[in-house]
Amino acid sequence: EAEVAQSPRYKITEKSQAVAFWCDPISGHATLYWYRQILGQGPELLVQFQDESVVDDSQLPKDRFSAERLKGVDSTLKIQPAELGDSAMYLCASSPSQGLNAYEQYFGPGTRLTVT
Amino acid sequence: AQSVAQPEDQVNVAEGNPLTVKCTYSVSGNPYLFWYVQYPNRGLQFLLKYITGDNLVKGSYGFEAEFNKSQTSFHLKKPSALVSDSALYFCAVRDPSFSGNTPLVFGKGTRLSVIA
Repeated sequence: EAEVAQSPRYKITEKSQAVAFWCDPISGHATLYWYRQILGQGPELLVQFQDESVVDDSQLPKDRFSAERLKGVDSTLKIQPAELGDSAMYLCASSPSQGLNAYEQYFGPGTRLTVT
Repeated sequence: AQSVAQPEDQVNVAEGNPLTVKCTYSVSGNPYLFWYVQYPNRGLQFLLKYITGDNLVKGSYGFEAEFNKSQTSFHLKKPSALVSDSALYFCAVRDPSFSGNTPLVFGKGTRLSVIA
């Protein structure tokens, strides 16, 4: 069964450093999402891509966060500089644009970021 | 804007007993509703969804959920709980009145603990 891949699984970084996360969605899924999940809370959307285009980044702190999906396949989320409050689980999800499962989102295992 | 409420932070149930995890929603139109489960340091796994049709939806691992439009609820249920069901459960909603593949809005989660 196809899965969403994310790396690294765990990342520890010092504040003010740069950090990057990678996501490879399920093949053929045009829509890709990055969510942030703070401990004890539900995931919250950071950015949504349709193919290579950003369709919603209204909740992305653009002064320090950036995201790209250059070829419309895999995606990178970057934080520079990292702050203590960025410690969280970063989840990537993908979904097909059409078909019976168009409304389901398939999640990767996440990257747990700890900023010290 | 759509929202989801999970009124219980924690639900404890004895193994073999029925379990219910509560969820209520707020959305402008007819909702698309989802349940996901999350095990420690893992991504979210899809359990079931309601899009349209029968109000009782059956999903993975013996779980089911009942859509109640008048009470705006979508409670997750299982007739006989297993210790392995212990995890964090998230209810999510998507407002289909928006075009395109819109992101999910999640509740804050309910921790289910099944005691042997």
